[in-house]
Amino acid sequence: SQQGEEDPQALSIQEGENATMNCSYKTSINNLQWYRQNSGRGLVHLILIRSNEREKHSGRLRVTLDTSKKSSSLLITASRAADTASYFCAPWRAGGGADGLTFGKGTHLIIQP
Amino acid sequence: DVKVTQSSRYLVKRTGEKVFLECVQDMDHENMFWYRQDPGLGLRLIYFSYDVKMKEKGDIPEGYSVSREKKERFSLILESASTNQTSMYLCASCTSLPDTQYFGPGTRLTVL
Repeated sequence: SQQGEEDPQALSIQEGENATMNCSYKTSINNLQWYRQNSGRGLVHLILIRSNEREKHSGRLRVTLDTSKKSSSLLITASRAADTASYFCAPWRAGGGADGLTFGKGTHLIIQP
Repeated sequence: DVKVTQSSRYLVKRTGEKVFLECVQDMDHENMFWYRQDPGLGLRLIYFSYDVKMKEKGDIPEGYSVSREKKERFSLILESASTNQTSMYLCASCTSLPDTQYFGPGTRLTVL
């Protein structure tokens, strides 16, 4: 089944710095979503980028999508302690039913005060 | 405000017990999902349902069954719990595929 692979697995930065994490996938997609998971909780949707879009912004978040390289990146600017969480990408393709509904292992981001 | 609720945050059961995990969504979503999350393995889809009484196996359905008698409720059943089913279980729903999924807070199940 389709699965995004996040890179790096873990990232530690100082508060105020920017954080960048990447996602690679294998097959064609309709959209790619990023989710955040705070410790021991459910996932929260952050942003969705469609296959015909190259870049999308939401507040301090910037997502890019390169379908030719089958990759996406999530940039968090001016990081805050509350951004400490695990981040997952979810590349989705329509028509696949249960196939293609898989999340990767995530990037664990730690923001140091 | 969208809401997905799960019946328990923490659950401790014994090997061989029958376990029910309940999930309810109030958004009139057609699709509902059950995942399990384990360290180093990420989220893995167990089952999903695209309509009442309809279900489809995910990546790891063995040892699990599901029930969806009403649109808002999706139950995950462990017929005979085993220790390797100790995990975090996450329920989610969405209106159509592929669309944004809304997750519940999770149930941390421990099987002794």
